[in-house]
Amino acid sequence: KQEVTQIPAALSVPEGENLVLNCSFTDSAIYNLQWFRQDPGKGLTSLLLIQSSQREQTSGRLNASLDKSSGRSTLYIAASQPGDSATYLCAVPIYNQGGKLIFGQGTELSVKP
Amino acid sequence: NAGVMQNPRHLVRRRGQEARLRCSPMKGHSHVYWYRQLPEEGLKFMVYLQKENIIDESGMPKERFSAEFPKEGPSILRIQQVVRGDSAAYFCASSPGPYKVYNEQFFGPGTRLTVL
Repeated sequence: KQEVTQIPAALSVPEGENLVLNCSFTDSAIYNLQWFRQDPGKGLTSLLLIQSSQREQTSGRLNASLDKSSGRSTLYIAASQPGDSATYLCAVPIYNQGGKLIFGQGTELSVKP
Repeated sequence: NAGVMQNPRHLVRRRGQEARLRCSPMKGHSHVYWYRQLPEEGLKFMVYLQKENIIDESGMPKERFSAEFPKEGPSILRIQQVVRGDSAAYFCASSPGPYKVYNEQFFGPGTRLTVL
């Protein structure tokens, strides 16, 4: 059974710091892994999707890596800004079950000015 | 290209009433997923639909909940005889299909249901 875990649950950093969010999954048979951002009371914004054949994906100040064999993904945020404050979620689709996503519990990030 | 649309954004119901949540997928997407986010809990899968078909409803409560995605119109998540425990944020996501750009899902803004 696929389980997704994110640590830490919450993180507070000063503006400008580089930071890493962690996501681990128990079943390495995945097609891809998706990182989302959720602002309070809002929906989910897709940040990055890494295919299982890829090692990393980059978008602006965000870089996501994937290590299937160890069941881990990291989201690296460079030069953090107060506007990055949000909850970050990772999710994987269950293999051969139509793509329904299993989510981690999220990391609540606060970037202090 | 408009994103995933959900309405209403906020819905208040009294216990025993019915709640209808609507989701219009992104243009060109024929696959819809519903997820629920209970207070202080993570997002949980409820149901996966294609046009006129329920593909996987393994996450749906056995009673009072139903979903449809008709040939024309939005997908509907229906909750009959709501109870306080149904209070949550309900999110809809769409994708072009599980085997196309396997399976990036795009989420709507959610419907926040409050049961009084």
